[in-house]
Amino acid sequence: DAGITQSPRHKVTETGTPVTLRCHQTENHRYMYWYRQDPGHGLRLIHYSYGVKDTDKGEVSDGYSVSRSKTEDFLLTLESATSSQTSVYFCAISESLSVDIQYFGAGTRLSVL
Amino acid sequence: RKEVEQDPGPFNVPEGATVAFNCTYSNSASQSFFWYRQDCRKEPKLLMSVYSSGNEDGRFTAQLNRASQYISLLIRDSKLSDSATYLCVVTGRDSNYQLIWGAGTKLIIKP
Repeated sequence: DAGITQSPRHKVTETGTPVTLRCHQTENHRYMYWYRQDPGHGLRLIHYSYGVKDTDKGEVSDGYSVSRSKTEDFLLTLESATSSQTSVYFCAISESLSVDIQYFGAGTRLSVL
Repeated sequence: RKEVEQDPGPFNVPEGATVAFNCTYSNSASQSFFWYRQDCRKEPKLLMSVYSSGNEDGRFTAQLNRASQYISLLIRDSKLSDSATYLCVVTGRDSNYQLIWGAGTKLIIKP
């Protein structure tokens, strides 16, 4: 299995609080991604990174920010969590952007009350 | 219309049977296609890529029909361990190579 660790694995928080999720990889892959998965929807891309300090928005980026200060770490921040951000969040990595396989972390279950 | 559509199921299938399900995509310029498998409360994992000529891996066969814009997955001699949700994924230059995911088809294999 690809070396991808997400932390925390579960989190319950209150509306309006900031939340940071961490993704750590040991594969030295250039690309890292944050997705959210909700019932009835496919995985939806929040943000992705194509290198240290290089990030771009995905389909559902509103309310989220990211940072990548090291190749191995990609952080997702909810500046002020809302109940609509209750979801399962997956981090993924890939060696290249085009037609490459993505490997996923185990996910973080976030509940915003 | 969703870019990638799948029948959510569940497909309830007896062990040993053959099951097939399709996935339709809306962008005719899509270039690459994949099936991922996701077990309950786990992360998605690549099952197989789908090539223009089709792809077979043991009991699993994937086909691409560009004219009708769908991909299919056939599972022969199904096992209890095949129970999972199967996710269809499409990508291409038009989506900046971002993966576009279907919501998945749930498969339940019964003894």
